[in-house]
Amino acid sequence: NAGVMQNPRHLVRRRGQEARLRCSPMKGHSHVYWYRQLPEEGLKFMVYLQKENIIDESGMPKERFSAEFPKEGPSILRIQQVVRGDSAAYFCASSPADRGGREQYFGPGTRLTVT
Amino acid sequence: GQNIDQPTEMTATEGAIVQINCTYQTSGFNGLFWYQQHAGEAPTFLSYNVLDGLEEKGRFSSFLSRSKGYSYLLLKELQMKDSASYLCAVRTAGSYQLTFGKGTKLSVIP
Repeated sequence: NAGVMQNPRHLVRRRGQEARLRCSPMKGHSHVYWYRQLPEEGLKFMVYLQKENIIDESGMPKERFSAEFPKEGPSILRIQQVVRGDSAAYFCASSPADRGGREQYFGPGTRLTVT
Repeated sequence: GQNIDQPTEMTATEGAIVQINCTYQTSGFNGLFWYQQHAGEAPTFLSYNVLDGLEEKGRFSSFLSRSKGYSYLLLKELQMKDSASYLCAVRTAGSYQLTFGKGTKLSVIP
């Protein structure tokens, strides 16, 4: 059973470009969470999604950031017009519906570098 | 708001026992989690406590006191591969999101 998959693992973007980060949850998991980890900081919650629904986006910056989890395909975290402060590791986690989000399994992360 | 505190760094000797403490302040507690994270890798789930007491799982144990807002992770028979960051995280009632501490970087020395 494959774990949570994220790609790309490393992404370099120039200021002003767009970044698209992909997350495929574990098989059978329908809940997806995105977290951001800045250097020397803890993981910070960004958004929680179920298929075709955003459940909680209280941790998402109001501008430039968006997330989706379509009926088919991976969850996407999109950052428009990236700035240097967006450089961080972005982790996706998934959990099965019947566990009520109790155990979140993390992917390997995407390390975004904005130059 | 929520606040989670844990020591920044700890060092312990191979074969020994180490206890990593975590204190938290939160409105509406609904579970405490411990994760292990090796440098450059994904956090991996270690334990979950929602009731007071000790949960044991092999060499790792986790303790919770809700009245004190306190938890610890106990690692026995330390191995070099246990060198990693250990993340304490809290979930609040009515929410699925986890609030993480900054992590404790454990170094195991020979």
